[in-house]
Amino acid sequence: GAGVSQSPSNKVTEKGKDVELRCDPISGHTALYWYRQSLGQGLEFLIYFQGNSAPDKSGLPSDRFSAERTGGSVSTLTIQRTQQEDSAVYLCASSPSPGTPYEQYFGPGTRLTVT
Amino acid sequence: QKEVEQDPGPLSVPEGAIVSLNCTYSNSAFQYFMWYRQYSRKGPELLMYTYSSGNKEDGRFTAQVDKSSKYISLFIRDSQPSDSATYLCAILYSGAGSYQLTFGKGTKLSVIP
Repeated sequence: GAGVSQSPSNKVTEKGKDVELRCDPISGHTALYWYRQSLGQGLEFLIYFQGNSAPDKSGLPSDRFSAERTGGSVSTLTIQRTQQEDSAVYLCASSPSPGTPYEQYFGPGTRLTVT
Repeated sequence: QKEVEQDPGPLSVPEGAIVSLNCTYSNSAFQYFMWYRQYSRKGPELLMYTYSSGNKEDGRFTAQVDKSSKYISLFIRDSQPSDSATYLCAILYSGAGSYQLTFGKGTKLSVIP
């Protein structure tokens, strides 16, 4: 079956612009996660969705970052007023239910470059 | 203090060798232990997960957890060039209605034909 998909695969933007990153989870998966992967920093948790609600936003690095999920499916991560330190690969993962967080399936990521 | 430590390598082995990849962790509240494989410019791929101390085997891969030492390992038998990738350990913390994976920084493995 289809895996997690993310778009765009690459995004180059100028400092100060807003960007939106999209994630389509595996069909039927109710839990969705966003991570950021930077060179030398490893994978960093950003936010977790259970259905359309986000019980844990603790990983969002600043108030310039926000995320939403609609219809229990597609999620969008928005970064406002991008900064160069936001350059990273943004990864989305989904799991079958909130009760199976150990079984996360990742998308290919969106490589964001802020110039 | 980092919660999950993983030797970044790189690790280079000849084809057919047994590979040992390791992580240590500090938070005893961690509940599940996962290993992911990540090829260059791809998302991480779940290899195995386990929650108890001991061994779990899947084909050429064996995951080992020692909760008393806070030490986890992944062994790859009969390594193949296609195993060349970065291997990430990940440990799950569950609490207050949320789950959070903490990843090691990954070990880059090269299997030389």
